[in-house]
Amino acid sequence: RKEVEQDPGPFNVPEGATVAFNCTYSNSASQSFFWYRQDCRKEPKLLMSVYSSGNEDGRFTAQLNRASQYISLLIRDSKLSDSATYLCVVNPRGYIPTFGRGTSLIVHP
Amino acid sequence: DAGITQSPRHKVTETGTPVTLRCHQTENHRYMYWYRQDPGHGLRLIHYSYGVKDTDKGEVSDGYSVSRSKTEDFLLTLESATSSQTSVYFCAISESSNGELFFGEGSRLTVL
Repeated sequence: RKEVEQDPGPFNVPEGATVAFNCTYSNSASQSFFWYRQDCRKEPKLLMSVYSSGNEDGRFTAQLNRASQYISLLIRDSKLSDSATYLCVVNPRGYIPTFGRGTSLIVHP
Repeated sequence: DAGITQSPRHKVTETGTPVTLRCHQTENHRYMYWYRQDPGHGLRLIHYSYGVKDTDKGEVSDGYSVSRSKTEDFLLTLESATSSQTSVYFCAISESSNGELFFGEGSRLTVL
């Protein structure tokens, strides 16, 4: 089993839709979790950190389920500009952040 | 945006030649990473550094070496480039061992 797994998609949704991605991880000692956004041929950029209690930033909500070892990202009221690849990052104890392969989101008019 | 620059941004080279990619930061962050990104594989860690002269191997370190003689610079060297090392290389920095990463714009390397 890979350390961090994501459904590659693509998720193809209309504007205004709500879409959710999950990311599972295998190392139960993982301590920190993040969602990154990557546009085509660009560098990944931090979207949001994921906290145990869940956190929200505008239309984006991130949650952590330690018991089932997954994190999730919910996007409400999708915009065309949300089209991108979403990467989850899991950091076990130590220095090695590990990336999922990414989930592709396409928002169409 | 975090002060992190990569050079060169694009390079085409031939099999068997040495190549060095440079990552320079102005944030004084302790941790620096080199990743490569390939279709179907996502971002994979090559090497990382947790301080000056302190480096360690990542998941795909074969064929690569690194050096960090100053806090601000982290060099990635391909001693003898192969076509399988054609990729996009990203440098990242982090203030703490479990903190968020900030990425450079990437270096696109083509080995013919």
